Amino acid sequence: AQSVTQLDSHVSVSEGTPVLLRCNYSSSYSPSLFWYVQHPNKGLQLLLKYTSAATLVKGINGFEAEFKKSETSFHLTKPSAHMSDAAEYFCVVSAGGTSYGKLTFGQGTILTVHP
Amino acid sequence: GAGVSQSPSNKVTEKGKDVELRCDPISGHTALYWYRQSLGQGLEFLIYFQGNSAPDKSGLPSDRFSAERTGGSVSTLTIQRTQQEDSAVYLCASSPQGASDYEQYFGPGTRLTVT
Repeated sequence: AQSVTQLDSHVSVSEGTPVLLRCNYSSSYSPSLFWYVQHPNKGLQLLLKYTSAATLVKGINGFEAEFKKSETSFHLTKPSAHMSDAAEYFCVVSAGGTSYGKLTFGQGTILTVHP
Repeated sequence: GAGVSQSPSNKVTEKGKDVELRCDPISGHTALYWYRQSLGQGLEFLIYFQGNSAPDKSGLPSDRFSAERTGGSVSTLTIQRTQQEDSAVYLCASSPQGASDYEQYFGPGTRLTVT
């Protein structure tokens, strides 16, 4: 069994300040973890993924996430927010130990960026 | 290259009618997934196809829902006797393989409204 908890449903930051979106997971197997972003009326886009290689993962648009097994966390960060970062972000875990990748999504965090 | 496409983009139907939603995956991708995104339930897995294997239907919410994938490519999700609670955005994704560490590429979705 696997699950994902995004600890904040809404995060609001000012442009130019750091972004932190928190995610905790549980999985019976070694997980693959992803962050996807969804802009209004747009499809889901992959930001970054962790698949048991380096624990600090860099993604697109300056985002990065750190896999911490001891804390079962995979928080998403960005040093400096941009207006275009306003969107909904999903932390996702993928089934391991089997040959398929059924995704389990967190409930999403809506990021608002103020000028 | 072409991404995942879905049709129609919007569908409004009357309660009790049947609907068909179509997904064209990225060429060469062997794995295809359907998800549903609704206000109350977030993003939920529905069904998964991998090559010629039997599909994983474990996420289908009722026997009114079915899906098929013809020739290992195009997939159709059918909802019979639609109910208002079926209103949601239905997302299709494809992946080069059905393994946990492969990125899934999402289509833009079909927004279904049941009146």
